[in-house]
Amino acid sequence: QKEVEQNSGPLSVPEGAIASLNCTYSDRGSQSFFWYRQYSGKSPELIMFIYSNGDKEDGRFTAQLNKASQYVSLLIRDSQPSDSATYLCAAPPNFGNEKLTFGTGTRLTIIP
Amino acid sequence: DAGVIQSPRHEVTEMGQEVTLRCKPISGHNSLFWYRQTMMRGLELLIYFNNNVPIDDSGMPEDRFSAKMPNASFSTLKIQPSEPRDSAVYFCASGPGDSDAIYFGEGSWLTVV
Repeated sequence: QKEVEQNSGPLSVPEGAIASLNCTYSDRGSQSFFWYRQYSGKSPELIMFIYSNGDKEDGRFTAQLNKASQYVSLLIRDSQPSDSATYLCAAPPNFGNEKLTFGTGTRLTIIP
Repeated sequence: DAGVIQSPRHEVTEMGQEVTLRCKPISGHNSLFWYRQTMMRGLELLIYFNNNVPIDDSGMPEDRFSAKMPNASFSTLKIQPSEPRDSAVYFCASGPGDSDAIYFGEGSWLTVV
């Protein structure tokens, strides 16, 4: 089993709707989780991080973490065409480990 | 502050030639990572350094690949000899350490023909 798995998509969402991106992880020792956005031809850019169970909101973005289910998600409200990108989930295998493992990414397209 | 700086941004080289990719991490960051990204395999960690010391090089594909970090502000990834299957985007990233986020450079786009 891969350490970090994502639904590979592609995912198409109408403009203004909520986009939901999902990620599961295998190492129960993982304590921190990161969401990166990567536009085509560009490098990954950090957009959210979450350490605690529950929700964390930042503008239109909400990260959700459920450690019991080993599940982390990213919700994008009021989706905009500029949100069209590949979204990568990442986690280290345990606390204090710097080695981030990335999922394969979910390609999101917002349809105007 | 400047982000992670990589060079060259693009390189096209012939099979068998040596390729050297360079990286300057964000000042003050203790950790430096080299990743490779392809459509088939996604983002793969090749090697990472902490305080200039290689910690994990298990992702380095074979002996043709080597990486060095002679000081806190500079690292190289070398491929010798290069092969067409090495064609990919190579990202350098740096981070403050301790399970914190890492920040990527713009990448070096390598094509080996």
